[in-house]
Amino acid sequence: DTGVSQDPRHKITKRGQNVTFRCDPISEHNRLYWYRQTLGQGPEFLTYFQNEAQLEKSRLLSDRFSAERPKGSFSTLEIQRTEQGDSAMYLCASSQDRASGANVLTFGAGSRLTVL
Amino acid sequence: KNQVEQSPQSLIILEGKNCTLQCNYTVSPFSNLRWYKQDTGRGPVSLTIMTFSENTKSNGRYTATLDADTKQSSLHITASQLSDSASYICVVSYNAGNNRKLIWGLGTSLAVNP
Repeated sequence: DTGVSQDPRHKITKRGQNVTFRCDPISEHNRLYWYRQTLGQGPEFLTYFQNEAQLEKSRLLSDRFSAERPKGSFSTLEIQRTEQGDSAMYLCASSQDRASGANVLTFGAGSRLTVL
Repeated sequence: KNQVEQSPQSLIILEGKNCTLQCNYTVSPFSNLRWYKQDTGRGPVSLTIMTFSENTKSNGRYTATLDADTKQSSLHITASQLSDSASYICVVSYNAGNNRKLIWGLGTSLAVNP
């Protein structure tokens, strides 16, 4: 296992198009997170899954955004009708839930989206 | 309001020098504090994670301290290397009902020059 993989690494699209990002977490991790990060800012939480269940969604996740983790393994993040404000780095992270709460998130390299 | 503030916003040092980054938080109820290193264009990588009872934790040339009373943490980098150039982000976890949530700082951008 080589860590968290994200695909594609870069995506350039025109406003109004749909885009989909894929994340493959570390295989033994049961939690998967999506974050968005713009230049000079820290990551902003979007949503997370425990196994296949989507347990929390941020207010940032408008109705144009949808995330799935159908079999509790890989996840997809789809953005419909993209807007220029969606341009950002989309980071995926995974972790193994621990009762102590000190679960360490392992991040992927991110998928950079540019909306023209 | 739960907040994490980091200082300085940016820092430039010469290779081989030491530096200390600061993190102040007003997060409650506190669960743990993490420091991440993020290279430009990459995802964050965990350096340390500290719980309430831990005052100091080291990871190679990185040493993190935590004062839970004053709600302050620092990350000390010893004998800096060019590869230490990155953004260092402080993240505080807190308990919210049955969930644990993370508050991310904006990071300190460190540039190590030869």
